[in-house]
Amino acid sequence: AQTVTQSQPEMSVQEAETVTLSCTYDTSESDYYLFWYKQPPSRQMILVIRQEAYKQQNATENRFSVNFQKAAKSFSLKISDSQLGDAAMYFCAYRREYAGNNRKLIWGLGTSLAVNP
Amino acid sequence: DGGITQSPKYLFRKEGQNVTLSCEQNLNHDAMYWYRQDPGQGLRLIYYSQIVNDFQKGDIAEGYSVSREKKESFPLTVTSAQKNPTAFYLCASSIGSGAYEQYFGPGTRLTVT
Repeated sequence: AQTVTQSQPEMSVQEAETVTLSCTYDTSESDYYLFWYKQPPSRQMILVIRQEAYKQQNATENRFSVNFQKAAKSFSLKISDSQLGDAAMYFCAYRREYAGNNRKLIWGLGTSLAVNP
Repeated sequence: DGGITQSPKYLFRKEGQNVTLSCEQNLNHDAMYWYRQDPGQGLRLIYYSQIVNDFQKGDIAEGYSVSREKKESFPLTVTSAQKNPTAFYLCASSIGSGAYEQYFGPGTRLTVT
């Protein structure tokens, strides 16, 4: 069974600095998708970035980028120029490409990110 | 504005009562999902539906029931059989079961005493 591990329960960063959140996963599949979601204090889950496993190029969305290492099964999120509004729980999630009728997301336990002014 | 609405944001019930959580979406998405979130745990899938009049159990379906009579709506009933119902409940939808992203509603915090 697939698992997702976020080894950093809490992290902090100074405003305007860069921070990297770690995520590793375990799978025997070759095709899958990886996601980072953000959950701010409002608790609404917001998609930050998506990576397709077949793509070698790392996904980027403005200040957010990933370092996808398929062989190492690692999917870290880098936040550049951190802003106060980036303070949130960040969840890493995995989804199989071929899973019949159930393409459910498998979630990590999250990393709580604090941004210090 | 397109999106997912969940109501109410906070819900209080007495033990032994069934309670229904609302989830509505106007994104024209086929698939909808219910998750439960507890402190220190990741999201856990309760039920999902890929199409109207069809739904499947997730990982923790015991004590819950759902219906999908309309594409826009996927209500979740927390029954008295659910042993520990106090939690934060999130509803999500996606374009289809083969689509990539799930989009989430704002959630409902249910407290049962």
